[in-house]
Amino acid sequence: ETGVTQTPRHLVMGMTNKKSLKCEQHLGHNAMYWYKQSAKKPLELMFVYNFKEQTENNSVPSRFSPECPNSSHLFLHLHTLQPEDSALYLCASSQVAGGPDEQFFGPGTRLTVL
Amino acid sequence: TQLLEQSPQFLSIQEGENLTVYCNSSSVFSSLQWYRQEPGEGPVLLVTVVTGGEVKKLKRLTFQFGDARKDSSLHITAAQPGDTGLYLCAGDRSNDYKLSFGAGTTVTVRA
Repeated sequence: ETGVTQTPRHLVMGMTNKKSLKCEQHLGHNAMYWYKQSAKKPLELMFVYNFKEQTENNSVPSRFSPECPNSSHLFLHLHTLQPEDSALYLCASSQVAGGPDEQFFGPGTRLTVL
Repeated sequence: TQLLEQSPQFLSIQEGENLTVYCNSSSVFSSLQWYRQEPGEGPVLLVTVVTGGEVKKLKRLTFQFGDARKDSSLHITAAQPGDTGLYLCAGDRSNDYKLSFGAGTTVTVRA
């Protein structure tokens, strides 16, 4: 238990569906992150929020839309995804964005796009 | 081309044996981290090294940061089945929040 929870843990969706991933951290952190983990590939940073403001969009397609209503919650809204978007989506948090600050990861959402 | 290359990709050993995992790059990092990720879980930080030549020990795990801060190694002594997992290295090049991860080494320790 890292203090970062993600729901759902597994999600299967069609290419025309709209779904959302949720992340919540109970650590009092101010920075939150979305990563994509595909088989045999390095973790890819997708988005960074620092004090609720988006500070990084790592050239992510617009079919992924993040939302950070407060420092404890982070969402990833999904629409018209492609099969190659199937992956493990990991949320992480840290005290603030910047410096070698430890990031705490959630267990991830395993997404399958049919 | 990946910024951080990890080798080997897979490693399967018998309980009690030693193993070493490598993380190499042509870039210089201000810090480098090692994580272990178990099935169904997110990565968990094991150690952060920041000084060239630094050696850190965590029980049976020994981490070394290269003198030039371009590479690192993780050595496990007398491996146990509980050491099984995906080992990831991640580097911070410019002291910002952008960690670059290696693809990982899957370690299996057989009882």
